[in-house]
Amino acid sequence: EAGVVQSPRYKIIEKKQPVAFWCNPISGHNTLYWYLQNLGQGPELLIRYENEEAVDDSQLPKDRFSAERLKGVDSTLKIQPAELGDSAVYLCASSIGTGGPGELFFGEGSRLTVL
Amino acid sequence: AQSVAQPEDQVNVAEGNPLTVKCTYSVSGNPYLFWYVQYPNRGLQFLLKYITGDNLVKGSYGFEAEFNKSQTSFHLKKPSALVSDSALYFCAVRDKLDQAGTALIFGKGTTLSVSS
Repeated sequence: EAGVVQSPRYKIIEKKQPVAFWCNPISGHNTLYWYLQNLGQGPELLIRYENEEAVDDSQLPKDRFSAERLKGVDSTLKIQPAELGDSAVYLCASSIGTGGPGELFFGEGSRLTVL
Repeated sequence: AQSVAQPEDQVNVAEGNPLTVKCTYSVSGNPYLFWYVQYPNRGLQFLLKYITGDNLVKGSYGFEAEFNKSQTSFHLKKPSALVSDSALYFCAVRDKLDQAGTALIFGKGTTLSVSS
């Protein structure tokens, strides 16, 4: 069974440029998460989708960040314009359903460096 | 509000010795508890979880964790450490009473270093 796939793995951009990250969850997982992981820190939730609906985006900086999950499968996270402080790893995860004892399955992450 | 604390930034242990990585949690109700491991430049890998029942949970790669409700702890343990266990370990929690299904809340992580 294929795991969560993310791309690109690494991205280096100049500040004020746009960037987008893509995630393909495990087949059949209706819940998708985007987490932000700063160096030396634990993952922090940015947004959670149940199918195509964003059910928790309270931690997403909406002035520059946006996300979508068309057709309830793949998802894209965009930053426009990027700032120096956005340098981090962006993790995508998926799970069967929300809540309960089910664990999350993570992708390899997309490491962003903003110069 | 849910929270997780990992009081040690780093744990150092010699190969062959037992290891413990500490985790304490705070939830309104009863917790689901998880441990994940992260190797350099990789995503998080699930190790084990506590749902209910036996307080000692066994997981992948010989790891186990002990749930202690009175101390609100969920420490990760392994009887004999391997150099290959060196990685970053995260504890995570979800409140069973959370009907909205909040995503997992993670601790800040503990770096485990096993020396040969």
